[in-house]
Amino acid sequence: DAKTTQPPSMDCAEGRAANLPCNHSTISGNEYVYWYRQIHSQGPQYIIHGLKNNETNEMASLIITEDRKSSTLILPHATLRDTAVYYCIVRVARWTSGSRLTFGEGTQLTVNP
Amino acid sequence: DGGITQSPKYLFRKEGQNVTLSCEQNLNHDAMYWYRQDPGQGLRLIYYSQIVNDFQKGDIAEGYSVSREKKESFPLTVTSAQKNPTAFYLCASSEPSGATDTQYFGPGTRLTVL
Repeated sequence: DAKTTQPPSMDCAEGRAANLPCNHSTISGNEYVYWYRQIHSQGPQYIIHGLKNNETNEMASLIITEDRKSSTLILPHATLRDTAVYYCIVRVARWTSGSRLTFGEGTQLTVNP
Repeated sequence: DGGITQSPKYLFRKEGQNVTLSCEQNLNHDAMYWYRQDPGQGLRLIYYSQIVNDFQKGDIAEGYSVSREKKESFPLTVTSAQKNPTAFYLCASSEPSGATDTQYFGPGTRLTVL
């Protein structure tokens, strides 16, 4: 799986959009970009994933650059409950034996009132 | 509600005792996983199961055992052979169909060895 680079921390004001960047310059053509988040002492929560098109769901939007070397997760109206560590993961989507998730350092997002 | 449940949330064990962590899912997923997370660390795969009655060792299986007798259940036993069992244990499941096999996680069990 390709390596990802994320800023260690970010701050955002409540009600504003939070834009979390991720660099994955070595991504392969069959690798997807996944985003998870982990609130302290809870299990990781799946947010969104995509291959090359921009994606949106009820939680967030994922913008992937045309060359696929970077992406941005957008939380459109951040709330205090969005404070968490956000992980960008690049991996082959289809099942392979021992399809493990590898979390990097992630970005600690702090939403301030 | 569909999801993954893990119990208990907190577990204390005396050194030398075996303990079993529960993981149940009602998502009808074929694949289930156990991960371990240490403070400030990422996830490490302990065991995984692609289908009922089959499971494989992950990266750190020593000192752990599992069973997969039912599709919805994948209990993990931490044995006395595990030298450093204090950690946060996470169970996940996925349905490897279509183009992706997104893994969904339970709330976790925090095990402390006294």
